[in-house]
Amino acid sequence: EIVLTQSPATLSLSPGERATLSCRASQSISSYLAWYQQKPGQAPRLLIYEASNRAPGIPARFSGSGSGTDFTLTISSLEPEDFAVYYCQQRNIWPPLWAFGQGTKVEVK
Amino acid sequence: EVQLVESGGGLVQPGGSLRLSCAASGFTFSTYWMSWVRQAPGKGLEWVAHIKEDGSEKFYVDSVKGRFTISRDNAKNSLYLQMNSLTAEDTAVYYCTKVGRSSVDYWGQGSLVTVSS
Repeated sequence: EIVLTQSPATLSLSPGERATLSCRASQSISSYLAWYQQKPGQAPRLLIYEASNRAPGIPARFSGSGSGTDFTLTISSLEPEDFAVYYCQQRNIWPPLWAFGQGTKVEVK
Repeated sequence: EVQLVESGGGLVQPGGSLRLSCAASGFTFSTYWMSWVRQAPGKGLEWVAHIKEDGSEKFYVDSVKGRFTISRDNAKNSLYLQMNSLTAEDTAVYYCTKVGRSSVDYWGQGSLVTVSS
């Protein structure tokens, strides 16, 4: 079973600052890593798939990087609407079981 | 426009059963894997199950194996989750999701399942 660990649990930043979120897998997952944003009362929204590809309609300030066991989501300059909870998600190669990280909350400092 | 609309949630007693349905539209349903993802109140996301395009393969998280069954009807563009032997730990919002590139590219609005006596 692959476990995903996100850090930090909470990130306190101001609008305009850079946010760096980490997701570490307990074993190599190649590039099968996605990132989601969730705001209160809403379904999550896909931001990044396959570690570094932005989903359609996602602003360029969101970027993903990494491979193997260490992955990063970077928000280059926080906009007011970016304060939310972010989850990473991995897919095991076979069987194609999935797991989510526990989430990182990006809050206004 | 892709739409996923869940139904069938509600209050059920421990040990009871419930069947969730998801009506899909706006894409060729029969050509995509589909999944259920849940979120307990105030908690994170948990993948529950997914099913291959033709329904020939199904995968589950360990905590629901033997109790939940995912199925689909491609003629009706519908996804289902039969949930048996429910416990309080199954209380969550259940999202019907479309799988794309090993991730969820579309989410339903969610259906709340509450297991309580």
